[in-house]
Amino acid sequence: QQQVKQSPQSLIVQKGGISIINCAYENTAFDYFPWYQQFPGKGPALLIAIRPDVSEKKEGRFTISFNKSAKQFSLHIMDSQPGDSATYFCAALNQAGTALIFGKGTTLSVSS
Amino acid sequence: GAGVSQSPSNKVTEKGKDVELRCDPISGHTALYWYRQRLGQGLEFLIYFQGNSAPDKSGLPSDRFSAERTGESVSTLTIQRTQQEDSAVYLCASSFVGDSNQPQHFGDGTRLSIL
Repeated sequence: QQQVKQSPQSLIVQKGGISIINCAYENTAFDYFPWYQQFPGKGPALLIAIRPDVSEKKEGRFTISFNKSAKQFSLHIMDSQPGDSATYFCAALNQAGTALIFGKGTTLSVSS
Repeated sequence: GAGVSQSPSNKVTEKGKDVELRCDPISGHTALYWYRQRLGQGLEFLIYFQGNSAPDKSGLPSDRFSAERTGESVSTLTIQRTQQEDSAVYLCASSFVGDSNQPQHFGDGTRLSIL
């Protein structure tokens, strides 16, 4: 049973546009939600993370919006650039704190 | 400083053979994780080590999979009698402690192909 659902599977955005990726989770005991960026042939790299006591977190062009009551969170990439083209994964830390549960990923292509 | 190092970067083997994958965590990181990433999929948790505590093996898909870690250093993931469905990228991550205050840092993985 998939506990973190991510959408869309793929996304094409014009340079300078806003990229939005959405995730939903099921277990209300999750309390840490990171986003990872992965380039081909590389391991995932932490982009930004949020805890459920905060509704929004911004780091540069990247913003996480968090809706605890809806059990949803999203990543917004402002002023998207071709260098942002990568696969993005949302995740949630399991209740025991021993593992991240990942969404299936979103492949983002930013056209120049 | 050095990141998480995994070896080999690529491994091709025949069905039925055993394989051993290695992970060198970031120095000082007490927590170590193994994940599997099938083509076009998200990462699946396999196993977690934290210091001298008993590992969390809840993600291992079958008894053909096992992992060891010596103290707070190198870890090896062993797959016995490999099957074609074992083909995937195996990723290792480490962190200072196994909680949300310390992010997991990933290596670039071992791409395993079973013929």
